[in-house]
Amino acid sequence: AQSVTQLGSHVSVSEGALVLLRCNYSSSVPPYLFWYVQYPNQGLQLLLKYTSAATLVKGINGFEAEFKKSETSFHLTKPSAHMSDAAEYFCAVSDPRGNEKLTFGTGTRLTIIP
Amino acid sequence: KAGVTQTPRYLIKTRGQQVTLSCSPISGHRSVSWYQQTPGQGLQFLFEYFSETQRNKGNFPGRFSGRQFSNSRSEMNVSTLELGDSALYLCASSPGVEETQYFGPGTRLLVL
Repeated sequence: AQSVTQLGSHVSVSEGALVLLRCNYSSSVPPYLFWYVQYPNQGLQLLLKYTSAATLVKGINGFEAEFKKSETSFHLTKPSAHMSDAAEYFCAVSDPRGNEKLTFGTGTRLTIIP
Repeated sequence: KAGVTQTPRYLIKTRGQQVTLSCSPISGHRSVSWYQQTPGQGLQFLFEYFSETQRNKGNFPGRFSGRQFSNSRSEMNVSTLELGDSALYLCASSPGVEETQYFGPGTRLLVL
């Protein structure tokens, strides 16, 4: 069984400040990990994914995440927040064997303070 | 390439009715998955179809069913609607079963 824990259901950062959204996972097999973003009244957009290649993954819109096996973490970061980053962010885990589909965290709502 | 499309985008039904939601995957994608999103339960996996066969199923009652057609389009059906079925239903497609999923905009279902 797999699970994801996102620490902090709401995060607020000032425009231009570092964005750090936390995600810890639990998996019985080496996992695939994902970050998705959801804007109001829209579906999910893939930001980035880790599929056992490089541990530092770069995604769209300046986001990146680092897979740390020893910490079972996959935190999402962006050096400088922009107003357009305000959205809800979901971390997700899947079994690379395709036996289970995405298991999502509860989401983190990111607010950007002007 | 066009993205995943879902119809209808919004739907209002009453308790006891049934509803059918439709999903057209990205061209060339053969796997379609469905998810339910609610404020209380978050995002939960419903089921996955690949080549017209259900591969995986989440922990939902039998009132929730789906199917996939030969052109990879998929439908999900919910019978005997309950108030708790009010949710955003998201469809996602991928080229194959072990590949990254791309999501549609969702169908927002309100059960009164």
